[in-house]
Amino acid sequence: EVQLVESGGGLVQPGGSLRLSCAGSGFTFSDHSMHWVRQAPGKGPEWVSYISGSSSAIYYAESVKGRFTISRDNAENSLYLQMNSLRAEDTAVYYCARHRGGWYADLWGQGTLVTVSP
Amino acid sequence: QSALTQPASVSGSPGQSITISCTGTNNDIGNYNLVSWYQHHPGKAPKLIVYESTKRPSGISNRFSGSTSANTASLTISGLQAEDEALYYCCSYGGSSALLFGGGTKLTVL
Repeated sequence: EVQLVESGGGLVQPGGSLRLSCAGSGFTFSDHSMHWVRQAPGKGPEWVSYISGSSSAIYYAESVKGRFTISRDNAENSLYLQMNSLRAEDTAVYYCARHRGGWYADLWGQGTLVTVSP
Repeated sequence: QSALTQPASVSGSPGQSITISCTGTNNDIGNYNLVSWYQHHPGKAPKLIVYESTKRPSGISNRFSGSTSANTASLTISGLQAEDEALYYCCSYGGSSALLFGGGTKLTVL
């Protein structure tokens, strides 16, 4: 089955760190660029970061630049998001999504909840 | 506040048609014409239903159709069915390798 499964979410204090993972299966993971997208409670989705299949191109939203790091391990079919210096406004469900050339995401995971609170 | 503007809610009766608008600017929708639409049932993975403004992925009903005009994209759902009740999000390429999303529209099937 073609799918993405996120993990690693949880409750963390402001200023803390968390590492999210996304496992891909059922497709050639290394052939695809990937995104992280988040959705805060009651809000629309917000794009967080993009990484190309070879990791040669990486981009971040201004709101997370310098605090979050995207990476991938194609041998493990896995995508990661290292989140440091977390703030209350980072509280959201975080989704990984598979990128397609027309700048859309054709496959999404179910998300993992990150809560930043004292 | 989301980058793209959608109505918070729309509703329709079974069998009717509804249209959800998504308004951007000439820096995103109006410039690139790369709009996608997603259906989201809470707790499940978002599902792509329209890409590149007008195209449907394999397996998506032809009851779903997309269009654009200037800085506004639209999603039309015809022949409404109970299972269409969900949240719908538009998305546009915003340049600089970034995606922009709308705030979402809750569709209620009466």
